[in-house]
Amino acid sequence: EVQLVESGGGLVKPGGSLRLSCAVSEFTFSDAWMSWVRQAPGKGLEWIGRIKSKTDGGTTHYAAPVQGRFTISRDDSKNTLYLQMNSLKTEDTGLYFCTTNAMPRYFFDYWGQGTLVTVSS
Amino acid sequence: QSALTQEASVSGTVGQKVTLSCRGNSNNIGSYAVGWYQQISHGAPKNVMFGKAPPSGIPDRFSGSKSGTTASLTISGLQPEDEGDYYCSTWDNILNVVIFGGGTKLTVL
Repeated sequence: EVQLVESGGGLVKPGGSLRLSCAVSEFTFSDAWMSWVRQAPGKGLEWIGRIKSKTDGGTTHYAAPVQGRFTISRDDSKNTLYLQMNSLKTEDTGLYFCTTNAMPRYFFDYWGQGTLVTVSS
Repeated sequence: QSALTQEASVSGTVGQKVTLSCRGNSNNIGSYAVGWYQQISHGAPKNVMFGKAPPSGIPDRFSGSKSGTTASLTISGLQPEDEGDYYCSTWDNILNVVIFGGGTKLTVL
């Protein structure tokens, strides 16, 4: 069974940083395009960004609200996806999910349970 | 305000057929297939439809369709376990991002 397990969430002050991890198992991680999707409390889903497989160039693409502050990376040797979040704002508070991108690449097939990030002073 | 518009809430009784809609424009739904995701109690979303094709394991009472810039998810023979929030999603070639609808809360009476 494919499993995605996020970790690294917590409470951080505005302007602070946090790094989330997503460990993937029972899946050919190195071939996968991966995305992060977040959900603010009581709100809907918001796509943050994605990283291509290294075979497809390994490039990243971000949504405007996080461009320049968040960085997605991957370690294929550890089957792990990362989200480095800098200059955090209160509006970044929410549940962060990692997902695998199915074909076409804007569909998501497997999801983790999410990790909660709270940005508050 | 979401780029895709969904009903805030829809309800139906067990066994009834319900249709959830997702309205966009020519830059998104009019040009790309639509995915649908079910979320129960803010848990992990689960994909229930990719375009017109349900992923494996999804009951065949779920079906998807699209007409112009509006996509629909139809559940025929509603079951109590279908209750939850449903989100539509696709690519937008002007915003150059994946976009989601605001979500529809489906209640099974």
